[in-house]
Amino acid sequence: GNSVTQMEGPVTLSEEAFLTINCTYTATGYPSLFWYVQYPGEGLQLLLKATKADDKGSNKGFEATYRKETTSFHLEKGSVQVSDSAVYFCALSLGGTSYGKLTFGQGTILTVHP
Amino acid sequence: ETGVTQTPRHLVMGMTNKKSLKCEQHLGHNAMYWYKQSAKKPLELMFVYSLEERVENNSVPSRFSPECPNSSHLFLHLHTLQPEDSALYLCASSQDAGTIYSGNTIYFGEGSWLTVV
Repeated sequence: GNSVTQMEGPVTLSEEAFLTINCTYTATGYPSLFWYVQYPGEGLQLLLKATKADDKGSNKGFEATYRKETTSFHLEKGSVQVSDSAVYFCALSLGGTSYGKLTFGQGTILTVHP
Repeated sequence: ETGVTQTPRHLVMGMTNKKSLKCEQHLGHNAMYWYKQSAKKPLELMFVYSLEERVENNSVPSRFSPECPNSSHLFLHLHTLQPEDSALYLCASSQDAGTIYSGNTIYFGEGSWLTVV
C-alpha cells in the first residue's frame, strides 16, 4: 500500500537555525508529493509540491526535492523564524482511480524559539 | 483565505444530538472531501465527492452522513456520535477528483473542531 513516514518530533530550534524535516514514502505508482503546514488552531495550508522526480518545490523559503532513488521528499529551510512554528505534514497523491486522495504522514511539530 | 470555508469552527454536541458541519468552496472545483484529524493519528480521508456524486467512502461508520447538493457545498451530518469521534474535521476541494496527472492540488478549509460529550 501507499504510506508516508516523517521524522518524529517535536523539533525545537532557535531562530535562524537550519531546518530539515525528513519524509520518505512508499507508493504503487508515481505519486505527486506535498508539504502542508498547520498553524495553531487552523486548518492545513499547502506549503509546496513536486509532481515528478527531481522537481524542487519551494515557497516562503522552504524547499523540498523529489528524490525517486531514495523515495524521499525532505523539507528544508535555511533560517527559521518564530512564525514558522507549526505542524508540518508530508503527503502523497496518486492519480487515476485514487480520486485525488492524499496519504499523510503523522506530522512533525516544529517550535522555534527567539 | 484558502477559498474553502467551514462552519461552525467549533461544535460541542451530546451523543444523542443531531448536528451538521457545512463546507463551501469558492474555487470552482469539481471535487470535495471530508478528512478527519484525530490526536496522534495521521489525517484520514472519510469521503470523496466528484461532480456531486460520492466516489469514495473510506469505511466510515453510518453515524456520519455526507451530502453534496452541488459542486460548491458539502455537508457532514452527525448523529448519535461517540466521544471518540471528537476530532478536527477538515473539508477540502480540488479541481478534479481523479486524473492521470496526479498533481491535482487539494485545498483545505480551516476545519471544524468537534467535541462529543
